[in-house]
Amino acid sequence: AQTVTQSQPEMSVQEAETVTLSCTYDTSESDYYLFWYKQPPSRQMILVIRQEAYKQQNATENRFSVNFQKAAKSFSLKISDSQLGDAAMYFCAYRSAAGNQFYFGTGTSLTVIP
Amino acid sequence: KAGVTQTPRYLIKTRGQQVTLSCSPISGHRSVSWYQQTPGQGLQFLFEYFSETQRNKGNFPGRFSGRQFSNSRSEMNVSTLELGDSALYLCASRTTDRVGYGYTFGSGTRLTVV
Repeated sequence: AQTVTQSQPEMSVQEAETVTLSCTYDTSESDYYLFWYKQPPSRQMILVIRQEAYKQQNATENRFSVNFQKAAKSFSLKISDSQLGDAAMYFCAYRSAAGNQFYFGTGTSLTVIP
Repeated sequence: KAGVTQTPRYLIKTRGQQVTLSCSPISGHRSVSWYQQTPGQGLQFLFEYFSETQRNKGNFPGRFSGRQFSNSRSEMNVSTLELGDSALYLCASRTTDRVGYGYTFGSGTRLTVV
């Protein structure tokens, strides 16, 4: 089975600064998708950004961008100009192109300091 | 457009009882997945339904079951509840069968077994 590892249980960042959350994964497949989800105290998982493995270009969504290193099986999330509303649990997730389920990491709790 | 609706939001049950959780997907979404979230095990896949058919099931005992109705609403049932079943149960839906598209999650049902 695929595994997703988030080695940073907690991170903090000053408001307006930049922070990078790490994620590595293990798979023998070549076609898959990677996601970052945010879970605020409201509990709802919110899609932050998505990356197709066949695309070399890193995905970007406004202040959120990823550094996708396929050979290294690394998928980090960079949050620029951090805002108080970015405080949440962030989960990295893997989904096979042929599969029906997400494999989630254990999450990184992000605190934004005013 | 209404989001994914899960009811109830909170539930307290006694060991040995059974429970049914409900999930109403976004209108037009035909695929529904369920995940269990606990502090110890993280997010684990329970099952996925598409057009009333279970397409995949996670590694959970037979006490966990689910179904999907013709209107795409889904229910999951847990029989003979155990203390370890206490968790946040998240439902997610998506519109297309293309696996690369992210799911939209609900806010979950917090089940406490006493």
